[in-house]
Amino acid sequence: ETGVTQSPTHLIKTRGQQVTLRCSSQSGHNTVSWYQQALGQGPQFIFQYYREEENGRGNFPPRFSGLQFPNYSSELNVNALELDDSALYLCASSPGQGIQGANVLTFGAGSRLTVL
Amino acid sequence: AQSVSQHNHHVILSEAASLELGCNYSYGGTVNLFWYVQYPGQHLQLLLKYFSGDPLVKGIKGFEAEFIKSKFSFNLRKPSVQWSDTAEYFCAVNGDDKIIFGKGTRLHILP
Repeated sequence: ETGVTQSPTHLIKTRGQQVTLRCSSQSGHNTVSWYQQALGQGPQFIFQYYREEENGRGNFPPRFSGLQFPNYSSELNVNALELDDSALYLCASSPGQGIQGANVLTFGAGSRLTVL
Repeated sequence: AQSVSQHNHHVILSEAASLELGCNYSYGGTVNLFWYVQYPGQHLQLLLKYFSGDPLVKGIKGFEAEFIKSKFSFNLRKPSVQWSDTAEYFCAVNGDDKIIFGKGTRLHILP
């Protein structure tokens, strides 16, 4: 079975720009979660998608948005980038039926975003 | 709101020493608890999980964790660590609508 793949692996943007990060979930998984991991910190929950709808969100502003596609792959979009958005962005998929079932996460390697 | 606190940010041990990493959570209802591990150069991966039943759960590579509901704790243990256990360990809790991670404990095992 394939794991979770993310692209791009590294990217550099300037403040004010927009970025799109992509994630392909593990085969058989219908739920995708996105996390932001700043240096020296644990992953912080951004949001979760199940069957193409957002069904859970952390404390992130609306300029963080996402999509899930019929094949369960997902995108994370960040508008009006700020310096503090520099971090590793992790995608995780799970076989859950929704928030309470989305328990065991399979992580990708992450996309490292640097905002200058 | 739920939260997770890991007591040790950086732990250094010699091989064969015993390990205990502390984790406390804050949430008033039923929780699912996890330990994830990230070995150098690898993805985050599940080490062990607690959903219900026996509060002592066993994971991969000889790790175990005990859920103590009265103390809101889920400490990770291993009786004898190996050099290959060098990694970063994250405690996580799923209570309401999201999975929250602690800040992590970086474990360094001296050969």
